[in-house]
Amino acid sequence: GQQLNQSPQSMFIQEGEDVSMNCTSSSIFNTWLWYKQDPGEGPVLLIALYKAGELTSNGRLTAQFGITRKDSFLNISASIPSDVGIYFCAGQAPNAGKSTFGDGTTLTVKP
Amino acid sequence: ETGVTQTPRHLVMGMTNKKSLKCEQHLGHNAMYWYKQSAKKPLELMFVYNFKEQTENNSVPSRFSPECPNSSHLFLHLHTLQPEDSALYLCASSQGGTKNTEAFFGQGTRLTVV
Repeated sequence: GQQLNQSPQSMFIQEGEDVSMNCTSSSIFNTWLWYKQDPGEGPVLLIALYKAGELTSNGRLTAQFGITRKDSFLNISASIPSDVGIYFCAGQAPNAGKSTFGDGTTLTVKP
Repeated sequence: ETGVTQTPRHLVMGMTNKKSLKCEQHLGHNAMYWYKQSAKKPLELMFVYNFKEQTENNSVPSRFSPECPNSSHLFLHLHTLQPEDSALYLCASSQGGTKNTEAFFGQGTRLTVV
């Protein structure tokens, strides 16, 4: 089955800094999704990508669907304390019927 | 309001108890999922239902028994659990079929087995 490698596993940054995380897959995906999970809550969808090369923004968040269809990146600009949480990537292979999730990147923002 | 509601939010149960987790979605989706999330571990997919039919069971122990009476409701029946089953149980839904993409999650049920 598909495997996702999400990195880094954790990040400790200062407020105001930019953040970058990525996911790579062993096989091609048709869809890449990025979620954020706050402590004690379920993951919430941030950005959905459906086309290779697609670059999509949601406020200070920007995500890209890699042209090889095997990777995706999420960038957060000018981080703030409420960006703290776990960020998950997820991808869906052709005709898979479900998404495969990465292991998550835990982000800590120091004021 | 996420459109996916899970109850209860917190549950403490003994190893001999029987309890059920409930999930309801108001999004008109046809696929529903149960995930387990243990501390410092990734999301583990447990069960998938498409159009009320179970399409995936990821080698989940029989002490976890899912039920999907219709496309809007999903249950997880629990009995004779072990302490290591303590985790956050997340329900999700999506459009369904081969084109299902975005999964919408509930807030989860924090389960503690004592």
